[in-house]
Amino acid sequence: GAVVSQHPSRVICKSGTSVKIECRSLDFQATTMFWYRQFPKQSLMLMATSNEGSKATYEQGVEKDKFLINHASLTLSTLTVASAHPEDSSFYICSASGSSYNSPLHFGNGTRLTVT
Amino acid sequence: SQKIEQNSEALNIQEGKTATLTCNYTNYSPAYLQWYRQDPGRGPVFLLLIRENEKEKRKERLKVTFDTTLKQSLFHITASQPADSATYLCALDFRNQGGKLIFGQGTELSVKP
Repeated sequence: GAVVSQHPSRVICKSGTSVKIECRSLDFQATTMFWYRQFPKQSLMLMATSNEGSKATYEQGVEKDKFLINHASLTLSTLTVASAHPEDSSFYICSASGSSYNSPLHFGNGTRLTVT
Repeated sequence: SQKIEQNSEALNIQEGKTATLTCNYTNYSPAYLQWYRQDPGRGPVFLLLIRENEKEKRKERLKVTFDTTLKQSLFHITASQPADSATYLCALDFRNQGGKLIFGQGTELSVKP
């Protein structure tokens, strides 16, 4: 089945540093990738939709200058948390969609970000 | 705004029984609805997709129903096993927006041996 690899799985950083998270589709071309954030015991909250070769579309309330998304190829999207602060600590999950409109999403295993 | 609600309370059942999870939505008419399983510290895994013109979908011990009049989906696991213990998420599509999904908050299921 379709595999999405997300790296790193866990990162601890100091306040003010930037953190880059990679999301790769390993065995299919992902025309669209989605980035979600999840707080404990809460739902996945969509942050942005990323299409290869174009600017990401951010959801309301998500700072595009804070969460920088790059979708440089059909198999790689990156999320950079710029100047991270403790309130950015969360579980970040990427997902990828194939070409079919109603294809199920394939998720990475998430990145646990802790900002101290 | 769109609202998706799942059983907020954790569901505890005995092994062998049928687990039934509920997903209700308002102010929305999804073209299809999906169910995912999420284990702690992991990303969700797709289970089943049901379209608006389908009443019921089955896959092995799983069954999903979709009532667009009630704006509700039910997710059933028959002959439940301790390995079925996880959080189950329902997700609704946004039409014509490239497959973007909006998730419910999930229901935690615990199956006791």
